[in-house]
Amino acid sequence: EAQVTQNPRYLITVTGKKLTVTCSQNMNHEYMSWYRQDPGLGLRQIYYSMNVEVTDKGDVPEGYKVSRKEKRNFPLILESPSPNQTSLYFCASRGDRGLNNEQFFGPGTRLTVL
Amino acid sequence: GENVEQHPSTLSVQEGDSAVIKCTYSDSASNYFPWYKQELGKGPQLIIDIRSNVGEKKDQRIAVTLNKTAKHFSLHITETQPEDSAVYFCAAIGSGGKLIFGQGTELSVKP
Repeated sequence: EAQVTQNPRYLITVTGKKLTVTCSQNMNHEYMSWYRQDPGLGLRQIYYSMNVEVTDKGDVPEGYKVSRKEKRNFPLILESPSPNQTSLYFCASRGDRGLNNEQFFGPGTRLTVL
Repeated sequence: GENVEQHPSTLSVQEGDSAVIKCTYSDSASNYFPWYKQELGKGPQLIIDIRSNVGEKKDQRIAVTLNKTAKHFSLHITETQPEDSAVYFCAAIGSGGKLIFGQGTELSVKP
């Protein structure tokens, strides 16, 4: 089954404790993104990657890091989480940035930073 | 910068009625407009999309219209059912292929 998976689905942590949210897709997609979803703000892009070893900032990159060492994986790293990073996070992938490629989303990770 | 505005933020309808969600976009070069449905506890899923060379597209009970001159596009759901209750997002593709999302509409269909 074609899908994007994320782990963990739920995470409660404390300020300053480094964490990683994993993302993996099995569709051989080149383009992957991370979004955060907050009430009234919709989906805002954090980082994106156009291919292996190619990453770039989205609209709200502060406090986040990503890596793309393999095509299928795109982990999101919070080196020193803060309470304002409490949010619902989605990983997404699509074939490339072109017009005809549907974007697939993972199931989401709900993060709470105390 | 590139922006997509979506209205209303919440919408409540009776089962069987129609629902309309409207979006406006700022980038006149945008040429692809997808709509996503997000059910509780799940990620958004594509339900319909429209490209700039088409004014309207229909798929069973859902339809999307596009007015490129006014930079408006809308989602229409007819004969609504309780399972249509969800959050709906519009989006427009911006420069560099980036998807810009609206703020979301929480649709509630009451039996």
